[in-house]
Amino acid sequence: DSGVTQTPKHLITATGQRVTLRCSPRSGDLSVYWYQQSLDQGLQFLIQYYNGEERAKGNILERFSAQQFPDLHSELNLSSLELGDSALYFCASSPGGEKLFFGSGTQLSVL
Amino acid sequence: GESVGLHLPTLSVQEGDNSIINCAYSNSASDYFIWYKQESGKGPQFIIDIRSNMDKRQGQRVTVLLNKTVKHLSLQIAATQPGDSAVYFCADVATVNAGNMLTFGGGTRLMVKP
Repeated sequence: DSGVTQTPKHLITATGQRVTLRCSPRSGDLSVYWYQQSLDQGLQFLIQYYNGEERAKGNILERFSAQQFPDLHSELNLSSLELGDSALYFCASSPGGEKLFFGSGTQLSVL
Repeated sequence: GESVGLHLPTLSVQEGDNSIINCAYSNSASDYFIWYKQESGKGPQFIIDIRSNMDKRQGQRVTVLLNKTVKHLSLQIAATQPGDSAVYFCADVATVNAGNMLTFGGGTRLMVKP
């Protein structure tokens, strides 16, 4: 158990809908990262937050947004969902350095 | 753009043999590299890391080798066990706007035959 908690574990929704994925980092970790894992693209970095502020941005679509709250938990919002958004979404946390601890992921299925 | 990639998508080894998983990186500014193991249905799990001022680092049954001249990274697993079956990712760490961004390679699936 990495100490990073992601909910829900599975999410099934329809195209055009909006969903929110939640992540609780390890106790004491200030950095939260979001990754998308598709079968054909491996792990794609989406965005990083550090102590509530956006720190780095990767290949995150404009339909996607994220935030980190004062209690350090983070949410990833995915809107206007498309079939191609179906993937595993991982959250990871770090105390501020480079080593990341990953959660078990949220499996999103867009039908 | 910069990328981190793997030479072999699938590696099949006999239980007890040694495994070698390779990775190439292109960002010459990268100074930190990590290997992760991902088992089915789980998130990536940290295995071992290495900084660019080193060329070798050993852990328990695992060794990471770094060749900066050819921008190549490898993970060696000694006496491979069935529990080692998983997908292995290398990752390159770059500093972007004071944040650390990990870029993962495509992954290599290691299959251990009993």
